[in-house]
Amino acid sequence: DAGVIQSPRHEVTEMGQEVTLRCKPISGHDYLFWYRQTMMRGLELLIYFNNNVPIDDSGMPEDRFSAKMPNASFSTLKIQPSEPRDSAVYFCASSWDRRLETQYFGPGTRLLVL
Amino acid sequence: GQQLNQSPQSMFIQEGEDVSMNCTSSSIFNTWLWYKQDPGEGPVLLIALYKAGELTSNGRLTAQFGITRKDSFLNISASIPSDVGIYFCAGHSGTYKYIFGTGTRLKVLA
Repeated sequence: DAGVIQSPRHEVTEMGQEVTLRCKPISGHDYLFWYRQTMMRGLELLIYFNNNVPIDDSGMPEDRFSAKMPNASFSTLKIQPSEPRDSAVYFCASSWDRRLETQYFGPGTRLLVL
Repeated sequence: GQQLNQSPQSMFIQEGEDVSMNCTSSSIFNTWLWYKQDPGEGPVLLIALYKAGELTSNGRLTAQFGITRKDSFLNISASIPSDVGIYFCAGHSGTYKYIFGTGTRLKVLA
């Protein structure tokens, strides 16, 4: 298996622009997680899905962030409009259950908002 | 809210030296996890701990679940250049709301 696939790997955009991050989970995993990582705050869970349904989005910072999972093999995290404080590395992870230790992380998308 | 303090924040060591790092929580944890993150990659699980006092090894790595359940330790013996990266801890107190440390950045000088 190719593992969790994320795209793009790097994104540089200007404040106010829409940003869309993409994730393809490992086939057969029915849990998908989106995380944000910064130097100051470390890793933070934003939202997770089970069988394509959002279960817990309490970590989503504000309404500018939205996530969808239209099918078992694809998810998006969208930021609209983006702000400089959104600059971070965004990870997608997938698993067969909700425990952190069972999750496989993708390589991340490094986002820089100017 | 819950906090995790991880120390040291960074370390520069000579190849062959042993490394120690630790995490301290403001509350009792049921699970402690240790991860390594290589530059430009996602975190990879190194060791999982589930019981106070538990000591678990993975090759040259050894981690312990503190008996107070508020701390955990990771040791790396005889470091090699490929040990470079960020090591971070994570844990939860039974709610699956995981808290993450901010990481220890390790650099190994050959």
